Amino acid sequence: DAGVTQSPTHLIKTRGQQVTLRCSPKSGHDTVSWYQQALGQGPQFIFQYYEEEERQRGNFPDRFSGHQFPNYSSELNVNALLLGDSALYLCASSPAHLGEQFFGPGTRLTVL
Amino acid sequence: GEDVEQSLFLSVREGDSSVINCTYTDSSSTYLYWYKQEPGAGLQLLTYIFSNMDMKQDQRLTVLLNKKDKHLSLRIADTQTGDSAIYFCAESPNSGAGSYQLTFGKGTKLSVIP
Repeated sequence: DAGVTQSPTHLIKTRGQQVTLRCSPKSGHDTVSWYQQALGQGPQFIFQYYEEEERQRGNFPDRFSGHQFPNYSSELNVNALLLGDSALYLCASSPAHLGEQFFGPGTRLTVL
Repeated sequence: GEDVEQSLFLSVREGDSSVINCTYTDSSSTYLYWYKQEPGAGLQLLTYIFSNMDMKQDQRLTVLLNKKDKHLSLRIADTQTGDSAIYFCAESPNSGAGSYQLTFGKGTKLSVIP
């Protein structure tokens, strides 16, 4: 079992650009959540996908959007990047009816 | 709104016990979690406890939950240098119909002195 995988590992973008981050959930998991972790902070919930729909959303602007595919993998898209979007983006997967969320290694996004 | 508070730093000697504390405000919290994050890495789920439990033990880890005071603690017995990391407390209002958002504290940095 490969666990939760994310790509890319690191990414450098400039202000105003758009970025897409990818996540493959742990085998047997059908729910994917995305979190943003700024330096020195705890992760902040962005949104959660289940059955290819956004089930719940945190306090993030519409510049943050996502998608879940039929194989349960997911993408996080961020448009019009700001310097403040620089962070570690974490994907977590879970089985729909259980509480444990398992995290991937994250994608480190740097916005210059 | 939900809030999770943790002390930011803890330093212990190798072989001693570590106790990391956490308080939360959301009385509807159903699941409470402890995650470990090593430098440059993602979060590793250590253990979790349901809100209808008072204690859970898993090898060197003991979780205590005081629902009345909304206080959660993680005790690590015989702390080792490999336990040095940031420990996050998190809560979730999982209703049983699916997994919902985790609300995290800012993390406690545990330093183990050899």
